[in-house]
Amino acid sequence: DTAVSQTPKYLVTQMGNDKSIKCEQNLGHDTMYWYKQDSKKFLKIMFSYNNKELIINETVPNRFSPKSPDKAHLNLHINSLELGDSAVYFCASSRYSGEQYFGPGTRLTVT
Amino acid sequence: QKEVEQDPGPLSVPEGAIVSLNCTYSNSAFQYFMWYRQYSRKGPELLMYTYSSGNKEDGRFTAQVDKSSKYISLFIRDSQPSDSATYLCAMGEKEGNNRKLIWGLGTSLAVNP
Repeated sequence: DTAVSQTPKYLVTQMGNDKSIKCEQNLGHDTMYWYKQDSKKFLKIMFSYNNKELIINETVPNRFSPKSPDKAHLNLHINSLELGDSAVYFCASSRYSGEQYFGPGTRLTVT
Repeated sequence: QKEVEQDPGPLSVPEGAIVSLNCTYSNSAFQYFMWYRQYSRKGPELLMYTYSSGNKEDGRFTAQVDKSSKYISLFIRDSQPSDSATYLCAMGEKEGNNRKLIWGLGTSLAVNP
């Protein structure tokens, strides 16, 4: 059974479009995260939710809006996509101890 | 100076070699340390988690933390071609509400048969 799942796995879209990525975890964790991994492989935290409350909000363009309908789900909506948004987006989850478990990633390509 | 420094490599070793991967950090408030393995086009996978100075062993993997030197290491014994991946270190200040991890850049490892 997949612990942290993301959809879609691949997303190819044109500049200016709006798209969403969905994440679900079945680990019973109370905290979820969105990361961006660029072509240089650096993992950059974007957002984190704890029990549906936003607790980490890094310097991210406000075109990116996370939404957590419940503890097991965290979605990422991106408005007016730009070429620089092309990257792999990872969802992760953790419990109190801090160990984070990652999903398989969503590879976003903006043309 | 970055909070976490990790040599990106690439590191190339023959099968069976002992591999040593390292990270240094500057924030003495870091209390817990992790190593992740990331295969190409996959998500990072947690390998080791340590909360204190000393060694922790799991099969062929040993994680070592030296808080006095602000230095952590991951050793891989009897390395296998299947160990070829990028290894990322990550660390955090405290468990609980502040769960932001600070990541190294990752070291790319190739184990040659």
